[in-house]
Amino acid sequence: GQQVMQIPQYQHVQEGEDFTTYCNSSTTLSNIQWYKQRPGGHPVFLIQLVKSGEVKKQKRLTFQFGEAKKNSSLHITATQTTDVGTYFCAGRGILTGGGYKLTFGTGTQLKVEL
Amino acid sequence: DGGITQSPKYLFRKEGQNVTLSCEQNLNHDAMYWYRQDPGQGLRLIYYSQIVNDFQKGDIAEGYSVSREKKESFPLTVTSAQKNPTAFYLCASSIVQASSYEQYFGPGTRLTVT
Repeated sequence: GQQVMQIPQYQHVQEGEDFTTYCNSSTTLSNIQWYKQRPGGHPVFLIQLVKSGEVKKQKRLTFQFGEAKKNSSLHITATQTTDVGTYFCAGRGILTGGGYKLTFGTGTQLKVEL
Repeated sequence: DGGITQSPKYLFRKEGQNVTLSCEQNLNHDAMYWYRQDPGQGLRLIYYSQIVNDFQKGDIAEGYSVSREKKESFPLTVTSAQKNPTAFYLCASSIVQASSYEQYFGPGTRLTVT
């Protein structure tokens, strides 16, 4: 079945440093979504990427979808303590039926130290 | 306010007992999902449903059962056959459209079985 891996699993940064998490799928994706889960909370949708090579920005966050639509990345510039949490990518395989089933990545837990 | 509610937030059961987790949404979403989250792992799909009276197994359905008698409700039963039931359970819902199906998550139920 489809597998989605993320690296790194954990990342500790000093406030103000940049952070990047990478997402890799075993199969080609029709689109990819990113979610953030704060400690003790539930995942919250951040963004969806659909087109090959697409880049989207949300303030300090930059999301990219690979040209082959098998990988994606999330980059945070100048991290803040409010960025703490676990970031998940989630993709729908291009060959799967049913447009609503997502496969979630393993997540990257970000800790930001002052 | 629109949203997804899960109850209870914390649940304790003895081994060998079945337990049902509640999930209700008033977002008028057609699709609903159940995920399991274990420490250091991503979200794993248990069951999902696109329409009332229909549901499909996810990646880890063994030991679980669901029903979808109403659009708003998608309860999950953790049976005694589930070998490792202690986990954080998340319910989610989404619209069903080709272009947009971000998932909205409930606050989760943390189940402990001893």
